[in-house]
Amino acid sequence: SQQGEEDPQALSIQEGENATMNCSYKTSINNLQWYRQNSGRGLVHLILIRSNEREKHSGRLRVTLDTSKKSSSLLITASRAADTASYFCATDGQAGTALIFGKGTTLSVSS
Amino acid sequence: GAGVSQTPSNKVTEKGKYVELRCDPISGHTALYWYRQSLGQGPEFLIYFQGTGAADDSGLPNDRFFAVRPEGSVSTLKIQRTERGDSAVYLCASSLMIGGNEQFFGPGTRLTVL
Repeated sequence: SQQGEEDPQALSIQEGENATMNCSYKTSINNLQWYRQNSGRGLVHLILIRSNEREKHSGRLRVTLDTSKKSSSLLITASRAADTASYFCATDGQAGTALIFGKGTTLSVSS
Repeated sequence: GAGVSQTPSNKVTEKGKYVELRCDPISGHTALYWYRQSLGQGPEFLIYFQGTGAADDSGLPNDRFFAVRPEGSVSTLKIQRTERGDSAVYLCASSLMIGGNEQFFGPGTRLTVL
């Protein structure tokens, strides 16, 4: 079963624009992570935010977490064509073990 | 150092055959995870190891699937009597320890069952 649900399923923007993806989950978590995947193969870890954190930045990435709403958002600023990929949020339960992924958001950035 | 590696990168087999998929985690990572990803879906958890033991195999879909990690490093995912529905990308990941840590993923093995 998949806990996270990303929204939107697909997003198309122009280079230089910002891209915002949202993720909702169902159960309590220790942390939430965002991953990127190119061409349906290996995932690349982008950022991890812990349940006691509300916002985190890494380069052009900004992640927020609202545990009361069980939701997170990933903002990519000044997008580039190279940002074209699928983006997944992943949560771990209180047991803190394997990750539970959503279905992902497919981002397309055109130049 | 080297990342997580998986072999083969692609495997085509016939229905009913046996396959083995190999994962080499990052050296020193005690936790190893197997996921399966179908087209258009996110990865789904299969099994994870803490050291040599399978700490949680609740994601394995049925008893045709089995995984081992005999020396606490390399792991092999074994699928018996493959079915067309087993076709997917099988991803392996490792992390320094269980829980609350970034998982590093390999490139995956694309399994196609004809």
